Amino acid sequence: SQQGEEDPQALSIQEGENATMNCSYKTSINNLQWYRQNSGRGLVHLILIRSNEREKHSGRLRVTLDTSKKSSSLLITASRAADTASYFCATAHNQAGTALIFGKGTTLSVSS
Amino acid sequence: DAGVTQSPTHLIKTRGQQVTLRCSPKSGHDTVSWYQQALGQGPQFIFQYYEEEERQRGNFPDRFSGHQFPNYSSELNVNALLLGDSALYLCASSLEGVRRSYEQYFGPGTRLTVT
Repeated sequence: SQQGEEDPQALSIQEGENATMNCSYKTSINNLQWYRQNSGRGLVHLILIRSNEREKHSGRLRVTLDTSKKSSSLLITASRAADTASYFCATAHNQAGTALIFGKGTTLSVSS
Repeated sequence: DAGVTQSPTHLIKTRGQQVTLRCSPKSGHDTVSWYQQALGQGPQFIFQYYEEEERQRGNFPDRFSGHQFPNYSSELNVNALLLGDSALYLCASSLEGVRRSYEQYFGPGTRLTVT
């Protein structure tokens, strides 16, 4: 079963705009990660935030984590057409080692 | 530095048949996880292999089995194929032990179609 739910399911924006995706999960986590997938191929790791962290940055990416609400958000600033992809949040749980539980993903479309 | 490789890229099988998918982890990694991704869904965890043993397993029937070899490469076997087994099968590698890394590196996947 899926652990998390991403919101929105689909997002269409113009180049240069910011894109925000949200993720909710159900049980306590060790960390939360965001992955990108282009055209149904392999996933690429974007960023990892640990359960004791609240915010993390990597280039144009900003991730926040609210463990009290069991939610996270991914912000992509100044979007480019190359950012068009599906984005998934994935959670790792202490009881489950390093196995990842993925949400259903947000499909981002950036038009030029 | 070679990343995660998977073979074959595409595969078409008939219901009831058996299939074997293969994965070579990223250089230096010792753990292999397998995921099934149905169309329009997120990946679902099948199982994970470390030190040649199945360490964790998701909610998949015994028709799904695997193996890890001494060189850390891995195979996923699916017996008695069902139409519902049609999916993209993803292999991911990571590092365990004292240098455990939660970040996983994914291969390009094997697209399995069951007819």
